[in-house]
Amino acid sequence: RKEVEQDPGPFNVPEGATVAFNCTYSNSASQSFFWYRQDCRKEPKLLMSVYSSGNEDGRFTAQLNRASQYISLLIRDSKLSDSATYLCVVNIPFDGNQFYFGTGTSLTVIP
Amino acid sequence: EADIYQTPRYLVIGTGKKITLECSQTMGHDKMYWYQQDPGMELHLIHYSYGVNSTEKGDLSSESTVSRIRTEHFPLTLESARPSHTSQYLCASSESPGRGYGYTFGSGTRLTVV
Repeated sequence: RKEVEQDPGPFNVPEGATVAFNCTYSNSASQSFFWYRQDCRKEPKLLMSVYSSGNEDGRFTAQLNRASQYISLLIRDSKLSDSATYLCVVNIPFDGNQFYFGTGTSLTVIP
Repeated sequence: EADIYQTPRYLVIGTGKKITLECSQTMGHDKMYWYQQDPGMELHLIHYSYGVNSTEKGDLSSESTVSRIRTEHFPLTLESARPSHTSQYLCASSESPGRGYGYTFGSGTRLTVV
């Protein structure tokens, strides 16, 4: 079983739409959670960390549900520039500080 | 402004050649990692290091080797390149456990073996 599972998509949404991605993780010892964004043929870049109380950064909202072991990312008012692959990342600090990446969810925002 | 640097950015090389992909970071991070990623596919961890003189193999079997003689430098070497090694190689670093600051990735080296 993979440490982190994501729906690969693709998600094709019109501009202005709200879209949500979910990600589940299997290890309850996971401590830190992140969403990364990866553009085509580029390196992944940190989009936002995910905090237990949930956090918001502009149009992006991240939430963590430890009891159910899932993380979500909500994008409101989608822009064309949001088109990318979104990677869910989980850190298990007592496992050699391993970071486990999901396979990514592909988003295309359509004009 | 990049704090982790990979060179070369692109490399086309013949089969059988020895190559070294360079990765350096200026953040003083203990942990460094090498990932392999084919276009449109997921990241695969091939090597990682906890610190100087520490190297470990990752989840994906790789014919490459790494070294960590200095904190800031984590080069990856292929002794004899093959077409099956054609891929993008991404280097990353992170702080020590418990910080939760995530990874910082380099821009990657896109390797083509002909």
